[in-house]
Amino acid sequence: DVKVTQSSRYLVKRTGEKVFLECVQDMDHENMFWYRQDPGLGLRLIYFSYDVKMKEKGDIPEGYSVSREKKERFSLILESASTNQTSMYLCASKMGGGEQFFGPGTRLTVL
Amino acid sequence: KQEVTQIPAALSVPEGENLVLNCSFTDSAIYNLQWFRQDPGKGLTSLLLIQSSQREQTSGRLNASLDKSSGRSTLYIAASQPGDSATYLCAVRDDKIIFGKGTRLHILP
Repeated sequence: DVKVTQSSRYLVKRTGEKVFLECVQDMDHENMFWYRQDPGLGLRLIYFSYDVKMKEKGDIPEGYSVSREKKERFSLILESASTNQTSMYLCASKMGGGEQFFGPGTRLTVL
Repeated sequence: KQEVTQIPAALSVPEGENLVLNCSFTDSAIYNLQWFRQDPGKGLTSLLLIQSSQREQTSGRLNASLDKSSGRSTLYIAASQPGDSATYLCAVRDDKIIFGKGTRLHILP
């Protein structure tokens, strides 16, 4: 079974802090994704990556950056956290045209 | 621009009944469609993936169908159980992956 893990289930940070969310997948998937999920807005794509050191902006990249130094790891970085970045963050991976597999999510609260 | 709609937003059904969840999309030029379930506060669990060349996929009590020409997919759940209570989301892939907002399903014991 594919396993996608995220570094934290719950995280509380203060405004202005730099925040790292990490995601690791164990199935050698090329493609990895970061989404945020908010009530009434559904899932929105922040960034995705189709290979090591490659990244593409999604629909809402502002305020975020990403890093993919190794194939199995995709990190989401909030350079200076703001309260409007309080959300559920979901990481996913997939190979080519196959199924997309999600991690358990990180609920981030920015105070 | 592709839009994915799931109606109704919420549904309550007595235990044991068969039920159908709906997903519609506006552009039929898709590569595949995937159904997920999401439990409160958790990530998404993949249920079924239907490639554009397929008409349906089955897994246990679940059956998903795809009609590209009409822009519709359905997820059929047979003999529903309280453990099926969750939010069900569909996602279509064209040059991007577009998610619906989900149907929140509650199975009444």
